[in-house]
Amino acid sequence: QQPVQSPQAVILREGEDAVINCSSSKALYSVHWYRQKHGEAPVFLMILLKGGEQKGHDKISASFNEKKQQSSLYLTASQLSYSGTYFCGTLNYGGSQGNLIFGKGTKLSVKP
Amino acid sequence: EAQVTQNPRYLITVTGKKLTVTCSQNMNHEYMSWYRQDPGLGLRQIYYSMNVEVTDKGDVPEGYKVSRKEKRNFPLILESPSPNQTSLYFCASSLKGGLLYNEQFFGPGTRLTVL
Repeated sequence: QQPVQSPQAVILREGEDAVINCSSSKALYSVHWYRQKHGEAPVFLMILLKGGEQKGHDKISASFNEKKQQSSLYLTASQLSYSGTYFCGTLNYGGSQGNLIFGKGTKLSVKP
Repeated sequence: EAQVTQNPRYLITVTGKKLTVTCSQNMNHEYMSWYRQDPGLGLRQIYYSMNVEVTDKGDVPEGYKVSRKEKRNFPLILESPSPNQTSLYFCASSLKGGLLYNEQFFGPGTRLTVL
């Protein structure tokens, strides 16, 4: 029931772009994205609601395709500060709006 | 400062010795939840509370109890801890009772080791 994230890990050079995917087997109300730096708590990035919307947060943006039950996180011109583990969390359609189910995470490393 | 606090931050205990991890938020949030984080498994929800006196099971509730008697506090209770409950635990809160539109704010985490 956990959403599946891909890739599991990615290494970038500063300035390169990356895409992280999140795919669910269930219909979704919404998708959350969080970033967790090593030894710290997860920090919220954005929420996407069904309707195919896109959102942006600095040079990080995301899309949500409700028909495909997928969301993608786009990191543009990556910076060293983007390093960390990215988690998507999903609220399943028909389920509780309090039951957020996270994927296993994608570890992103940005090198100088 | 608006924050979620957890105590203790680190705890080493023995199998079967009851323990409580406290969680408190000062943001007047309705929603609170507990997660455990294990290597390679991501964050898994243990319990959540949409409001005072309302609690629901998450995905891995076995071996845990919670209560929500007041808005600011949401303690996690392990009545008889076992080694498979060794983990990093996070408490989180959100403004409204439900996460459809609302972000969660996470506490700093509690690292628990059960011997």
